[in-house]
Amino acid sequence: AQSVTQLGSHVSVSEGALVLLRCNYSSSVPPYLFWYVQYPNQGLQLLLKYTSAATLVKGINGFEAEFKKSETSFHLTKPSAHMSDAAEYFCAVSTSGTYKYIFGTGTRLKVLA
Amino acid sequence: GAGVSQTPSNKVTEKGKYVELRCDPISGHTALYWYRQSLGQGPEFLIYFQGTGAADDSGLPNDRFFAVRPEGSVSTLKIQRTERGDSAVYLCASSPAPRSSGANVLTFGAGSRLTVL
Repeated sequence: AQSVTQLGSHVSVSEGALVLLRCNYSSSVPPYLFWYVQYPNQGLQLLLKYTSAATLVKGINGFEAEFKKSETSFHLTKPSAHMSDAAEYFCAVSTSGTYKYIFGTGTRLKVLA
Repeated sequence: GAGVSQTPSNKVTEKGKYVELRCDPISGHTALYWYRQSLGQGPEFLIYFQGTGAADDSGLPNDRFFAVRPEGSVSTLKIQRTERGDSAVYLCASSPAPRSSGANVLTFGAGSRLTVL
C-alpha cells in the first residue's frame, strides 16, 4: 500500500526566505511522486513530478524537489519565497500501471511581508 | 476542450436529495478520475475510468455513490440520498492513455463544491 505524509499543516516564511515543505512517502514499488499547488477556489496545478529519471526535479515558479530513496522523502524547496507563493501544497504518490494518486493532507504556505 | 471542465461549480442541496456532478475531460484523454476533497484534507480517490469502463471504483464510500462515462468522454458522478457528510469539493481529473506520453500526469478541474444542508 502507498501513503504520503506531509509534516506541518501550516508553514510561514518571510518574503525572500527559503521555502521547505516536507513530504515522506511509503511505497512497495518504485513510485512516481508529484507536488501540486492549489490556490483559493482553484483546481490543483502540477508543480513538478519525479518519474524515475533525475532525482533533482525542477518545476514551475522556481520550485524544485529532490527524490531521496534512502530517506523515502521528496521535499519541496524554493530559494526565495514570493508573496504569490501563498497557497496550499499537496504531495502525491502513484505507481506505474495504476496512475491512481494518493495525496497527503496538504501544507498551507503563508508568506509574510 | 483546453482543460478539464466541471459543472456545477457550486451545488447546495438538502439532505436526502439526489445530485449529479458533471466532468468534461481534456479532449483525447482516455483516463478519467474522480476525487473528493473534504475541508482541511487532501483529495481522496473515488473512481477511475479507462475509456467507458470503471477500472477501479475502490474509493467509492458506499452504494449511494455511482459514476458513469457512457461514451468514454464526459462523466457524471451521481449521489443518491445525500447526507451532510457528503459535503466536500468533488474533483475530476483526466490523463492520456496508459503508456503514452504524460500518462502518469493528472490534469484537474476546478471542482464542484457540494453543500448538503
